[in-house]
Amino acid sequence: AQRVTQPEKLLSVFKGAPVELKCNYSYSGSPELFWYVQYSRQRLQLLLRHISRESIKGFTADLNKGETSFHLKKPFAQEEDSAMYYCALIGKGGSEKLVFGKGTKLTVNP
Amino acid sequence: NAGVTQTPKFRVLKTGQSMTLLCAQDMNHEYMYWYRQDPGMGLRLIHYSVGEGTTAKGEVPDGYNVSRLKKQNFLLGLESAAPSQTSVYFCASTRGTEAFFGQGTRLTVV
Repeated sequence: AQRVTQPEKLLSVFKGAPVELKCNYSYSGSPELFWYVQYSRQRLQLLLRHISRESIKGFTADLNKGETSFHLKKPFAQEEDSAMYYCALIGKGGSEKLVFGKGTKLTVNP
Repeated sequence: NAGVTQTPKFRVLKTGQSMTLLCAQDMNHEYMYWYRQDPGMGLRLIHYSVGEGTTAKGEVPDGYNVSRLKKQNFLLGLESAAPSQTSVYFCASTRGTEAFFGQGTRLTVV
């Protein structure tokens, strides 16, 4: 079964501080992992995916298959990073349903 | 190219009433999904479809029905609305593995 766990419902940091949003997953095959972001009153949008290994808006995420984790990190948080962040998993090649974690609300204080 | 469009954006129903939410995508995507978003619960999958004429249950399917008669449309129906179905509903479609979301439908059942 596919499962995504985000242990923190809320995360609050100060501007300029490092931030890490945790995500752990459970899947029997080779999943594809994503981070989606939802800014206030907007639709969800893709932030980054593990296969692209890119940095978007200063965020990076590394897939750790041994620990089944896909934590999202940013070295210096900005106020505009305040949003809901969802970790998501889909079976490789899009063969299975897209499953989300419960989300983490990040607040970056001035 | 409008992407994923949901109608209506807002709706208030009385307990026991029925309604249909429409999701339309113009990207020729095979997979489509309906989620509900509730505080502290994240995005929960209601039903999904892997192609025209096919549907499957997600995590919280009770009280909802869906149909995918045309590839571009995915309908979510509530036959007899209940206050527990008060939520924000999101539709999504996937291309390969990246998901594109609608703007959401805020449904209140009184």
